[in-house]
Amino acid sequence: DTEVTQTPKHLVMGMTNKKSLKCEQHMGHRAMYWYKQKAKKPPELMFVYSYEKLSINESVPSRFSPECPNSSLLNLHLHALQPEDSALYLCASSPRDREYEQYFGPGTRLTVT
Amino acid sequence: DQQVKQNSPSLSVQEGRISILNCDYTNSMFDYFLWYKKYPAEGPTFLISISSIKDKNEDGRFTVFLNKSAKHLSLHIVPSQPGDSAVYFCAANPWGQAGTALIFGKGTTLSVSS
Repeated sequence: DTEVTQTPKHLVMGMTNKKSLKCEQHMGHRAMYWYKQKAKKPPELMFVYSYEKLSINESVPSRFSPECPNSSLLNLHLHALQPEDSALYLCASSPRDREYEQYFGPGTRLTVT
Repeated sequence: DQQVKQNSPSLSVQEGRISILNCDYTNSMFDYFLWYKKYPAEGPTFLISISSIKDKNEDGRFTVFLNKSAKHLSLHIVPSQPGDSAVYFCAANPWGQAGTALIFGKGTTLSVSS
């Protein structure tokens, strides 16, 4: 298994909803990341988990809550989002022998109505 | 202040010719550089990386050149194919370690015509 998977592919939610994004990798990578990407912009880092511990939180609003239940799984819990949070949410992971490389999943396209 | 810059928003090339995508950076302490390819509504796909101690890395049709004195790197695609049409992002990993945020350029849209 050589890929990062993300579910769902698309998500539409209202501003009062609670939803979760899921990311999974079975490559033994120990660092996992959440990025947010708006149209025609580069990805922006949100969170980094290293060895299942949150190591970086780039001043992300508390309506986004990350969780790393185990070394293969990364969740992003969403609550009370705003329309401007609509974006492509990307998960990535780094291999242990080439830690400088990051491999991205296909992303979840989130629309907040 | 942008630390990684891709000054050409777009590039058009004919099939079979060489595509050269350019990237400049400002921080001479960056450890690794990476190139990603991205189709619309998909995640970036890793293409190739280069360490700051090297000046060239090659993988199939893709070659990355690094000129440290000029703080410039380029991605060469030879021969270009229509399927190469995508947005290409240059990125820097400042410390070369896991858990480090990649610093991305704004991307260059490559169009390869047949």
